[in-house]
Amino acid sequence: DGGITQSPKYLFRKEGQNVTLSCEQNLNHDAMYWYRQDPGQGLRLIYYSQIVNDFQKGDIAEGYSVSREKKESFPLTVTSAQKNPTAFYLCASSTATGRAEAFFGQGTRLTVV
Amino acid sequence: AQTVTQSQPEMSVQEAETVTLSCTYDTSESDYYLFWYKQPPSRQMILVIRQEAYKQQNATENRFSVNFQKAAKSFSLKISDSQLGDAAMYFCAYRSVRDDKIIFGKGTRLHILP
Repeated sequence: DGGITQSPKYLFRKEGQNVTLSCEQNLNHDAMYWYRQDPGQGLRLIYYSQIVNDFQKGDIAEGYSVSREKKESFPLTVTSAQKNPTAFYLCASSTATGRAEAFFGQGTRLTVV
Repeated sequence: AQTVTQSQPEMSVQEAETVTLSCTYDTSESDYYLFWYKQPPSRQMILVIRQEAYKQQNATENRFSVNFQKAAKSFSLKISDSQLGDAAMYFCAYRSVRDDKIIFGKGTRLHILP
C-alpha cells in the first residue's frame, strides 16, 4: 500500500530537549512538506523540499530543522529554540506535476512538558 | 508572498440543504492550483476538490463544486444536499507552480444540523 507514514502518533518530551518527528513516503513523490496545526491557526508551513538535498523555509521555520537525504524521508527536528512546540504536526508529499495535490500522513501530536 | 484567507471560522447548515464556504487568496502568479481539503475529527486530511488556475470551467465532484473567480481571486466551495458526514473542518489551499509551495487558510468548521 502506498502512502505516508508519520511516527509516532503521540510524542511526549521534556522542555529543553530536541525531538525528531519521522515522515516516510513510498509514493515516489519529489516534494515533501511539514505543517504545524494549532487551534484556530489552520495549517502553517514549517519547511518544504522539492528535491533530495534541498529544502526551503516556510512561514514558521524558526526553532525547527529538517533534512532530505533520501527521496522517501523528510524528518523534522523540533529544537529547544522553539518556544511553544506543543502542537499537531502533519507531513505531506506531492508530485511536482500532474494532479499536484498533497497527500498527508496521519499526524504526530507532540506534547512538551 | 501568497496568502489564503477564509473569513468564516464556523458555519452551520441544515441536513439536505446547500452551504457555501468562502476562500480568497492573494498572489502575483498567473498559474497555480487551488484545493479544498476536509479534516474530520480523525484529523486525516482528505482532498475534496481541486482547480487548475488556467481552466475557466469550475470543478465539480459529486455534491461538491467550486466557484472560481480568477480576477477576483476567489475560490468558494458549495456543498449540496449536506449530509451528517460532511461535518468537519474545511481548508482552502494554494499551490504555487513556480516553487511547489502549498499554503493553507485557517479553516472553516462546518456543522450539519439534523
